[in-house]
Amino acid sequence: GESVGLHLPTLSVQEGDNSIINCAYSNSASDYFIWYKQESGKGPQFIIDIRSNMDKRQGQRVTVLLNKTVKHLSLQIAATQPGDSAVYFCAEEPSNDYKLSFGAGTTVTVRA
Amino acid sequence: DAGVIQSPRHEVTEMGQEVTLRCKPISGHNSLFWYRQTMMRGLELLIYFNNNVPIDDSGMPEDRFSAKMPNASFSTLKIQPSEPRDSAVYFCASNSGRANEQFFGPGTRLTVL
Repeated sequence: GESVGLHLPTLSVQEGDNSIINCAYSNSASDYFIWYKQESGKGPQFIIDIRSNMDKRQGQRVTVLLNKTVKHLSLQIAATQPGDSAVYFCAEEPSNDYKLSFGAGTTVTVRA
Repeated sequence: DAGVIQSPRHEVTEMGQEVTLRCKPISGHNSLFWYRQTMMRGLELLIYFNNNVPIDDSGMPEDRFSAKMPNASFSTLKIQPSEPRDSAVYFCASNSGRANEQFFGPGTRLTVL
């Protein structure tokens, strides 16, 4: 399954499939980007981050891709599991001052 | 480490009352952030502190909101008087200053009737 930018805030994916969550950021000068996962009733939790001098970074079952040309960020989750159901936020740091600007979020629902 | 601690977890109050939200950042972290989350506006940064000093409060909605950080291990966000439109989840986050990642607390769900 795939969502695009901030205009399709929900994504339904079959358990075991790969998920792709997309995000369009606003500031071409942003140097740092981060993905957070927020489960119901909890605060956002760090998933993975990437700096602007990189195009790709991999973690455990997650990969973040950065395309600075079109100001696009994506999060790929491999072999999606029920525990991956949550709201996923991308955030950028426009000013190198630790202030993060968050996107609207994408709700991911994993179907058994 | 216990992570960022917030209290109370839930607060229900009546319009006009004073509300105080509390936060204890992760020990050793020198930056602290207060956010508000609503369905309509998402996650909004209200104010952030560095080494207990307010650096940017441009996100504070109006004079009814105030925040303090009297020491490195404690911060408060106060709303006086509260209004129904202040109903939201308020998060506190901290950052070590050695990396950009912010660690969020569990949030305080505020309901103003």
